[in-house]
Formats: sequence, structure tokens, C-alpha cells
Amino acid sequence: QVQLQESGPGLVKPSQTLSLTCAVSGGSISTGNYYWNWIRQPAEKGLEWIGRIYSSGTTNYSPSLKTRVTISIDTSKNQFSLRLTSVTAADTAVYYCARGDVDIALVTWGQGTLVTVSS
Amino acid sequence: DIQMTQSPSSLSASVGDRVTLTCRASHTISSNLNWYQQKPGKAPNLLIYAASRLHTGVPSRFSGSGSARDFTLTISSLQPEDFATYYCQQSYSTSYSFGQGTKLEI
Repeated sequence: QVQLQESGPGLVKPSQTLSLTCAVSGGSISTGNYYWNWIRQPAEKGLEWIGRIYSSGTTNYSPSLKTRVTISIDTSKNQFSLRLTSVTAADTAVYYCARGDVDIALVTWGQGTLVTVSS
Repeated sequence: DIQMTQSPSSLSASVGDRVTLTCRASHTISSNLNWYQQKPGKAPNLLIYAASRLHTGVPSRFSGSGSARDFTLTISSLQPEDFATYYCQQSYSTSYSFGQGTKLEI
């Protein structure tokens, strides 16, 4: 059964770049009808979809974040990554990675990682 | 952008109650609507996809319906473990979006 695990710094300074990685285990990131997502959730608030990437490298981003977001995939390491530039306190959140199954939905999620933006 | 609006924002209910949660899309999304359950400190879990299809392992007391812009999630008989926050999510456009959530409380 596939599992996802987020990793990266828990503290980022304002104006800097947030970088997270999602390691995929129990299955190959480059096979199957899947797409790989990032979602975030500020404390006590709702879920915000950030973007997704297919194994082909095709990406889609949230319009509200697209100028600051890059999602990439590394099939050799079986992982995908998130970069969010010019962060502010408003980017403080739990960040989740999730696998989307084509024709289904966001089926498999990581446990989430808290990123705090503060000086 | 497609905006998703859930109602109510919170709902008080009791074990055994039948409850219905609502989700409305700002544009038609066909049946591309999914429901998730989230408990405090945990990642969301998929309940329903394609508006009415029960995800594997989800109890049959959960059901979904709707199409175009209006959707509902019904729990036929609330169990103690169902008290959580529920989110709808559209997968119609290339840019997904979630509703703001409905918190189901005792």
C-alpha cells in the first residue's frame, strides 16, 4: 500500500522560499493513473489546494498561488517537491501531500508537516 | 476559479441522528464532487467521489447525491466516530478547490 511522507524545514523566514518534499513508498511515482498534489491548512482553517503534478511533468496550480509555486517530480528518487517563494506569515500552515487517483479523487494523504513562517 | 460553499458551517447533532450537509459550486461541475472527513490533527479521508460513489471501506451510512451545482452528503445514523469536519472538493476544473468545511458536533 502506497504511503506518503512530507519532509522539510519547520521554520522559514519571511520573504524566503519554503521547500518541502514528499517521499512515496510502496509504489512507483511514475506508473499508474495518478497525480501528485500539495494541499495546505492553516491552523483552525479549511483546506487549500496548492497544485499537482503528473509523472509526465505536467502541472496545474491554484490561481491564487501560481506566481509563487513550483511543483516538481523526481522519479529516480520516487518523490515530488513543493517550492513556495516570497513567503509571509499567511503561508504558515500544515502542508499535506496527497496522491490523486484518476477518476476517483485524493485517495492517499501524507500525515502533514507544519511550516511556520516567522523571523 | 470555482468557489465551493458549504452549509451549515457547523451542526450540532446526536448519535443516531440523520444529517445532511450541503455543498454548492459557483459553476456547474457535473458530478465531479468529492467529500472528505477530517478529524483533529489528522489528514482528511476520502468518503465519497464522483458525487455519489462510496470509497472503499467507507460505511454505507454515508451517501452522496447531486449534480451540476448542488450536492449533499447524508449520514443516515450518526455514530460517535462521525463527529468531525467534512469538506467538499471539486475536481471538475484543472484547478481544484475545497469548501470551507462543516464541523459536525455533538
